[in-house]
Amino acid sequence: NAGVTQTPKFQVLKTGQSMTLQCAQDMNHNSMYWYRQDPGMGLRLIYYSASEGTTDKGEVPNGYNVSRLNKREFSLRLESAAPSQTSVYFCASSETGRERPQHFGDGTRLSIL
Amino acid sequence: EDQVTQSPEALRLQEGESSSLNCSYTVSGLRGLFWYRQDPGKGPEFLFTLYSAGEEKEKERLKATLTKKESFLHITAPKPEDSATYLCAVQALDSSYKLIFGSGTRLLVRP
Repeated sequence: NAGVTQTPKFQVLKTGQSMTLQCAQDMNHNSMYWYRQDPGMGLRLIYYSASEGTTDKGEVPNGYNVSRLNKREFSLRLESAAPSQTSVYFCASSETGRERPQHFGDGTRLSIL
Repeated sequence: EDQVTQSPEALRLQEGESSSLNCSYTVSGLRGLFWYRQDPGKGPEFLFTLYSAGEEKEKERLKATLTKKESFLHITAPKPEDSATYLCAVQALDSSYKLIFGSGTRLLVRP
């Protein structure tokens, strides 16, 4: 039972490069989320998808795009990476219902030079 | 503005030395308060959800409590394996799935 799987685990990019972070869950959850975690700050929501076919902006969406490919998969794309996007990115999923706990993957550590 | 503040930022305990972590929150209306544990290099692991003042939840050496303004995570007779960062998050009644996280308390339990 893998839960939430994120790939890659580590990535180094140069400023201006693009990349896509992948996330897949095997818990049959409807809702999926992307967060970033920076030192000294709490996790901040980038985008979320309440259900397949829908996506909405979170607290810090600028510079990112998302795709809910199907019920299992939710990807995060950086079109033109900037050093300010150096962070640890976490994907999470939850059952339907706003009070349901979110379950997290182990993150992608992204450095942008 | 909705806000979550956790204290202390870091806590060192001897094995067996009980203590409490604090999570103070300001939110227009509380839908739920969540506690997570995060180990280095890993994602947050769900521990508890609390919904209303006076509620308590327990799991092994951990007990979470909730008032109208704060939550406490009590750790009784901790062991070295309890060392981790503990995160608190709140969800407001008018939120669209958004969780507001505190910056966490780093707990180190020494043998």
